[in-house]
Amino acid sequence: EAQVTQNPRYLITVTGKKLTVTCSQNMNHEYMSWYRQDPGLGLRQIYYSMNVEVTDKGDVPEGYKVSRKEKRNFPLILESPSPNQTSLYFCASSFRDRASYNSPLHFGNGTRLTVT
Amino acid sequence: KNEVEQSPQNLTAQEGEFITINCSYSVGISALHWLQQHPGGGIVSLFMLSSGKKKHGRLIATINIQEKHSSLHITASHPRDSAVYICAIPLNYGGSQGNLIFGKGTKLSVKP
Repeated sequence: EAQVTQNPRYLITVTGKKLTVTCSQNMNHEYMSWYRQDPGLGLRQIYYSMNVEVTDKGDVPEGYKVSRKEKRNFPLILESPSPNQTSLYFCASSFRDRASYNSPLHFGNGTRLTVT
Repeated sequence: KNEVEQSPQNLTAQEGEFITINCSYSVGISALHWLQQHPGGGIVSLFMLSSGKKKHGRLIATINIQEKHSSLHITASHPRDSAVYICAIPLNYGGSQGNLIFGKGTKLSVKP
């Protein structure tokens, strides 16, 4: 089944304890991206990757790191989480063809992170 | 600055009504996404369109690139259509269109 898998679904941690949220897709998509969703602010992009070893900042990259060593995986790393990173996180992927640079997005189920 | 504006923010309808959700944006784009977020939180892509109109079942999406406006219509609405509907556009930074910005969403509630 074609899907984007995020883990974990729920995570409670303490300030400063490094954590990684994993994202994996099995559709051979070039494009992968991370978003956070907060009440009143909607979805905001953290980082995205157009292909292996190519990553770029979105609108709210501060406090986050990503890597794209393989096409299928795009982990989100919080080196020193803080309470203002408490949020609902989504990973998404899609094809990126030369003609349009656009194709439908496939989302993971989300990770609800609480930092105390 | 809000480069993507959706209206209305909240919408309550009776089952069977025709629904329209609007999305306006301020920059030139090549395509626009419509997304649906279920009450449980999951997000699915409904449409990606760059011109004209697309239809899928009871859902219709239109876009007017010159007027920088898109609409999502739901015909014969049903309680299962209750969800948050979100539009998103890619910003073309240096040729890459990977940077997406989102509207704040329209929360639709359809009453039986």
